Amino acid sequence: GQNIDQPTEMTATEGAIVQINCTYQTSGFNGLFWYQQHAGEAPTFLSYNVLDGLEEKGRFSSFLSRSKGYSYLLLKELQMKDSASYLCALKNSNYQLIWGAGTKLIIKP
Amino acid sequence: DVKVTQSSRYLVKRTGEKVFLECVQDMDHENMFWYRQDPGLGLRLIYFSYDVKMKEKGDIPEGYSVSREKKERFSLILESASTNQTSMYLCASSHPSDGANVLTFGAGSRLTVL
Repeated sequence: GQNIDQPTEMTATEGAIVQINCTYQTSGFNGLFWYQQHAGEAPTFLSYNVLDGLEEKGRFSSFLSRSKGYSYLLLKELQMKDSASYLCALKNSNYQLIWGAGTKLIIKP
Repeated sequence: DVKVTQSSRYLVKRTGEKVFLECVQDMDHENMFWYRQDPGLGLRLIYFSYDVKMKEKGDIPEGYSVSREKKERFSLILESASTNQTSMYLCASSHPSDGANVLTFGAGSRLTVL
């Protein structure tokens, strides 16, 4: 079967660092996405990992370990505007997307 | 700079009504998708289309149909709305030449069926 898990909610402090984990099980893998979704708005693309390792994009980085079925999104120097839901999505062997339920990140001053 | 536009942000309908949700994209994308988003669940694919007049069922097509008469427009139809179709509906598009198949989403249509 296929499933993808991420924490429901996390809280962090402005200026700090937070890591949002995503674990998955799948029979075939063709990439993993992270999207950001502010309340009431469209999800927007953050990152795409196909190979193992860390990809850095400004304050945001995404890591993938295919052998462990594990990814994380790392957010540095947190800002209040980073309060949002973060969606992890797996592209399986049929190139279909399997979505996690999302992690709601709350940033406190 | 709006790229994917969903015609209605909020709708309230009664059980048994026919509901049309419209989605238009201005990026000349071939691929278009309809998802529903419910609390505690990941996005679930209802229907998708890779070309004009083409449609494929997603994971939860029951109770829905779609229409793609023009490349830029993909409509979701609820023939007879039911209360369990109360949800947030998200339209998305992508370009096939984009190897990652990154989705661009609309802002969503929140449907309440009474």
